[in-house]
Amino acid sequence: GESVGLHLPTLSVQEGDNSIINCAYSNSASDYFIWYKQESGKGPQFIIDIRSNMDKRQGQRVTVLLNKTVKHLSLQIAATQPGDSAVYFCAERGHNAGNNRKLIWGLGTSLAVNP
Amino acid sequence: EAGVVQSPRYKIIEKKQPVAFWCNPISGHNTLYWYRQNLGQGPELLIRYENEEAVDDSQLPKDRFSAERLKGVDSTLKIQPAELGDSAVYLCASSLAGTSGHNEQFFGPGTRLTVL
Repeated sequence: GESVGLHLPTLSVQEGDNSIINCAYSNSASDYFIWYKQESGKGPQFIIDIRSNMDKRQGQRVTVLLNKTVKHLSLQIAATQPGDSAVYFCAERGHNAGNNRKLIWGLGTSLAVNP
Repeated sequence: EAGVVQSPRYKIIEKKQPVAFWCNPISGHNTLYWYRQNLGQGPELLIRYENEEAVDDSQLPKDRFSAERLKGVDSTLKIQPAELGDSAVYLCASSLAGTSGHNEQFFGPGTRLTVL
């Protein structure tokens, strides 16, 4: 299953299928991007990040793709499991001097995994 | 290792009443953040501390919101008086300072505030 941008806030997939969550970011000068997962009643949890000098990064069952030309970020989850059900946020870090630069968060996409 | 601790988890108050939230960051994390999150939206930064110093409070509504981080560890966020529009989840996060430019933020469970 695949979501298209931030205009489709809910993605429903079958357990075992691959999921793709998309995000359009705003600032072409942003140099760092993060995906967070937020389960109901919990704070956001870091999943994976990518710097602007890369276009792909893989983690355990997750892959982040970055297309700077069109300012697009995606999160791919392989073999989606019920525990993956959550709201997923992308965040970009502004290109300002200093550490801990402010994160700019996108709207969330709700992922529902059907057993 | 204990994560970021917040209390209370839920708070219901009437408008015009004061309310306070408490956060205990991960031990050793000198950077602390307060965020406000509305349903379905990403967190909005209210204030960021480096040790005791508030280094970014540009988004904090200073007419009614205040925060402090005495001794550079625990922090409190206060709203006085609360308004209906303040209903949201208030998240606290902490991170290590460093020179790498990437400082992963660890979030607490949040306090869900309902203003009636």
